[in-house]
Amino acid sequence: EAGVAQSPRYKIIEKRQSVAFWCNPISGHATLYWYQQILGQGPKLLIQFQNNGVVDDSQLPKDRFSAERLKGVDSTLKIQPAKLEDSAVYLCASSLDGDTEAFFGQGTRLTVV
Amino acid sequence: GENVEQHPSTLSVQEGDSAVIKCTYSDSASNYFPWYKQELGKGPQLIIDIRSNVGEKKDQRIAVTLNKTAKHFSLHITETQPEDSAVYFCAAERGSFKTIFGAGTRLFVKA
Repeated sequence: EAGVAQSPRYKIIEKRQSVAFWCNPISGHATLYWYQQILGQGPKLLIQFQNNGVVDDSQLPKDRFSAERLKGVDSTLKIQPAKLEDSAVYLCASSLDGDTEAFFGQGTRLTVV
Repeated sequence: GENVEQHPSTLSVQEGDSAVIKCTYSDSASNYFPWYKQELGKGPQLIIDIRSNVGEKKDQRIAVTLNKTAKHFSLHITETQPEDSAVYFCAAERGSFKTIFGAGTRLFVKA
């Protein structure tokens, strides 16, 4: 079975620029998560989707971050404008529903200079 | 909100010894406690989990214990091997969301 696919793997941008990350969850998984993992820390949940609806986005900095999951499958996470402190690995995960094992992608490493 | 503390931040053991990682949580409503292993350049991978209605769970060399009264849970790895070297994260979850991760423990297993 194919895992969670994320792209790009790496991205370097200047502060104040925009960036977008893409995630393709495991087929049939209704729940999709975006996490931010700063170096040396545990992942922090940014947003959780159930199909194409948002379940939890309480930790998403909505002034600069946005995410969508059109048609309840693929998802994109956007940062506009980026700040230095946004440098982190952005992980996408999916699960059959919110109550079963979550499978993580390899992540996108973002460096803001 | 929920807060999960994890100790130690770094753990070094000799191959064949046991390793123990401990976590505490603050939200008494948390009812699901997964443990993840993260290798360099990869996303976290679930290795074992426990729900609040169970006190202990074991899977080969890995076991997890949960003390709901004290709000702490622990990961036990026996007969450690070099391939167990990685970063381990505990997490606490309430219902089907609000998963909060600990800061991680970097485990080194020396051959």
